[in-house]
Amino acid sequence: IAGITQAPTSQILAAGRRMTLRCTQDMRHNAMYWYRQDLGLGLRLIHYSNTAGTTGKGEVPDGYSVSRANTDDFPLTLASAVPSQTSVYFCASSDSGGLVTNEQFFGPGTRLTVL
Amino acid sequence: GQNIDQPTEMTATEGAIVQINCTYQTSGFNGLFWYQQHAGEAPTFLSYNVLDGLEEKGRFSSFLSRSKGYSYLLLKELQMKDSASYLCAVLDSNYQLIWGAGTKLIIKP
Repeated sequence: IAGITQAPTSQILAAGRRMTLRCTQDMRHNAMYWYRQDLGLGLRLIHYSNTAGTTGKGEVPDGYSVSRANTDDFPLTLASAVPSQTSVYFCASSDSGGLVTNEQFFGPGTRLTVL
Repeated sequence: GQNIDQPTEMTATEGAIVQINCTYQTSGFNGLFWYQQHAGEAPTFLSYNVLDGLEEKGRFSSFLSRSKGYSYLLLKELQMKDSASYLCAVLDSNYQLIWGAGTKLIIKP
């Protein structure tokens, strides 16, 4: 693995189903983030984690949950998907948690469609 | 509320210079980032400004005026591969990034 990876690349999901988007980084970054990107809108932060074992809510956390059991992995779960969660989801990581002044590195994204 | 404004779309000619502006109103300021995002790809880091002035990095330069809540990204000697969206983002008082919607730059031969 080089950098930050996400899986799946894309997914079509029936409303009401549970779905986990995976994110793994091998850069030993302490901070990780989940964003959604919708046409005409900026990236919006869903959840973040400043270090393993801690998580926080971003701008649009409702309907999503995260966990950070170790440094490398930061999965995002949709407990019961709804059509408004159709979006492109990006996972990102950075070298500094909390006092972020370093760049964020982004994964390739997961394109999710909820029908 | 917090707000980042950028033009939605700009068009420029190959070999020319283009300036993409970004104005912001945020709760606190701990720096401003510019990212490049090609269609269907992830954003990639271009620049970070925390002090007033111009930061030059090859063909790309970024300027910041904190008193005016204003930044611009200057791209020189435009190449076709520069066709992309350019995202402005501000680190607020809680050290969270607030993102603009991005400026789609179209380069014509």
